[in-house]
Amino acid sequence: GAGVSQTPSNKVTEKGKYVELRCDPISGHTALYWYRQSLGQGPEFLIYFQGTGAADDSGLPNDRFFAVRPEGSVSTLKIQRTERGDSAVYLCASSPRERVGGAGEAFFGQGTRLTVV
Amino acid sequence: AQSVTQLDSQVPVFEEAPVELRCNYSSSVSVYLFWYVQYPNQGLQLLLKYLSGSTLVESINGFEAEFNKSQTSFHLRKPSVHISDTAEYFCAVTRAGNTGKLIFGQGTTLQVKP
Repeated sequence: GAGVSQTPSNKVTEKGKYVELRCDPISGHTALYWYRQSLGQGPEFLIYFQGTGAADDSGLPNDRFFAVRPEGSVSTLKIQRTERGDSAVYLCASSPRERVGGAGEAFFGQGTRLTVV
Repeated sequence: AQSVTQLDSQVPVFEEAPVELRCNYSSSVSVYLFWYVQYPNQGLQLLLKYLSGSTLVESINGFEAEFNKSQTSFHLRKPSVHISDTAEYFCAVTRAGNTGKLIFGQGTTLQVKP
């Protein structure tokens, strides 16, 4: 596709349920990032993949959050035992490894709005 | 570690007036700086960036930002705004040479009035 694709665009789930959010990056981009944006805030870093491996997962808030990228392309962010405080827009971004600006020159998807009720 | 402060949460301005959106950062190492824009119902888009070289950088739609190392600032300016510039603007920083995470400010909503 032409850009970063995230599905679903909206997800409503009940407290305590498990959810998966999918990110399809731009073809050929080796770097992939997940961010979380709460209402009225800037995006907050969660995790960064370089290829299949998580190069930096320091932003994951706790062990209920997990992300994978098994083939170095599509990534899935998984949230177990969801809580109301997990409600936010989850953003995915990708960039080519050789970009001088690195993370800052990433292309963002439109996000998945997660609502935990 | 790096941090970013956007000093104004909302900036109302009349069409064709000049505007400045302020951004200050904190870092003990060299950084790259960015401004992103988020139009209503759209994703984040890179507006302009400072990596190295000239401290004044420009975007294709008339915005400019100046990297000021001594004041640790990267303010965004436009001499004459349009209604279509109404959007949320985010300043962001990453450690120079780092391909990993961006640190974002809280955002400034630019409201251009006719």
